[in-house]
Amino acid sequence: GEDVEQSLFLSVREGDSSVINCTYTDSSSTYLYWYKQEPGAGLQLLTYIFSNMDMKQDQRLTVLLNKKDKHLSLRIADTQTGDSAIYFCAENFSGNTPLVFGKGTRLSVIA
Amino acid sequence: DAGITQSPRHKVTETGTPVTLRCHQTENHRYMYWYRQDPGHGLRLIHYSYGVKDTDKGEVSDGYSVSRSKTEDFLLTLESATSSQTSVYFCAISVGQGVETQYFGPGTRLLVL
Repeated sequence: GEDVEQSLFLSVREGDSSVINCTYTDSSSTYLYWYKQEPGAGLQLLTYIFSNMDMKQDQRLTVLLNKKDKHLSLRIADTQTGDSAIYFCAENFSGNTPLVFGKGTRLSVIA
Repeated sequence: DAGITQSPRHKVTETGTPVTLRCHQTENHRYMYWYRQDPGHGLRLIHYSYGVKDTDKGEVSDGYSVSRSKTEDFLLTLESATSSQTSVYFCAISVGQGVETQYFGPGTRLLVL
């Protein structure tokens, strides 16, 4: 069955880089996503990557995908206090199929 | 903002009462989804719709029903609310052509006493 695993907590100092990790089990996953949730808010799509890509960069965000190990990571450069949130990794087979989510990683940024 | 609204945003109800949550979109997207978010579980799919009157069950569909009589509205009904259905409910839509991505509404916080 499908399963997405994430570590639950990460704490970093302001200005450092954050790396949030995710592993998934479904080798048929075609799309992998990162969402951000701030307290009391909905989920905000940060970025996504196709399974035929190894890396995607978008400003401070870098996504790395290791298909062999089914490992996905999100690197946030120059982490700011505004980056404090819960980050969810998610996967699906196509853009319209329902998402399977990890339990989320709570990122705390220390000033 | 992908033009998704949810109502109500907050609700307190009693065990055994029916509850209907509404998701409304403004742009006629075909696919809509209901997820629930609980501590320690992330988000889990309840039901989804791939068109008017076309719906399918998700991982945690027991105790829930849905209806989609028009493109813009997707309703989630708890026929007889239980305390285990206390949760935050999120609606999502799939947006895009060629590359579809899912966007989420602001959520409905439901407390069943």
